[in-house]
Amino acid sequence: EDQVTQSPEALRLQEGESSSLNCSYTVSGLRGLFWYRQDPGKGPEFLFTLYSAGEEKEKERLKATLTKKESFLHITAPKPEDSATYLCAVFYSGGSNYKLTFGKGTLLTVNP
Amino acid sequence: DAGITQSPRHKVTETGTPVTLRCHQTENHRYMYWYRQDPGHGLRLIHYSYGVKDTDKGEVSDGYSVSRSKTEDFLLTLESATSSQTSVYFCAISASGREELFFGEGSRLTVL
Repeated sequence: EDQVTQSPEALRLQEGESSSLNCSYTVSGLRGLFWYRQDPGKGPEFLFTLYSAGEEKEKERLKATLTKKESFLHITAPKPEDSATYLCAVFYSGGSNYKLTFGKGTLLTVNP
Repeated sequence: DAGITQSPRHKVTETGTPVTLRCHQTENHRYMYWYRQDPGHGLRLIHYSYGVKDTDKGEVSDGYSVSRSKTEDFLLTLESATSSQTSVYFCAISASGREELFFGEGSRLTVL
């Protein structure tokens, strides 16, 4: 059973059309939630870490927020260069170990 | 950008042959990881290392082995490659194992 679910799987926006990506999780013992951007043929590029509910982080047109069950990546007035796959990952204490689980990603396409 | 170099970046091999992928870091981070990324799956952990000669299995470790003889190098070996190991392999590093990971550019492996 998926512990980290990203939605939607794919999102197509017009340039300037703001929207949000969702990352929901069912793990307990959250230690951190990470957002990454991945361009085709490249490795994931780190964007943000969120540690506790209510926390927000911003970078250019991106803002990440965190609640007790999900995180949102808000994209304000996106540009074509924001097109990429966005991944979230949940870092949590699983028994005696720490674990990191990735979602399957949201493919964002921004049309000019 | 994190100093992570993967080699080779692309490799085509035949079933049954051994393959070794190399990850080299210049950040002096203690933790190093090998992930594979396949369509329909999130990034999945193969093996990780928490120090020189200290390694442990991830969720998809069958058919893979690793070695770490120096802080900066982490090798992933497929003793006898199979078609199911066709994938994109990513190396990642973190300083303490309890914060965000930084990824390399990936190694695309095709097993015919």
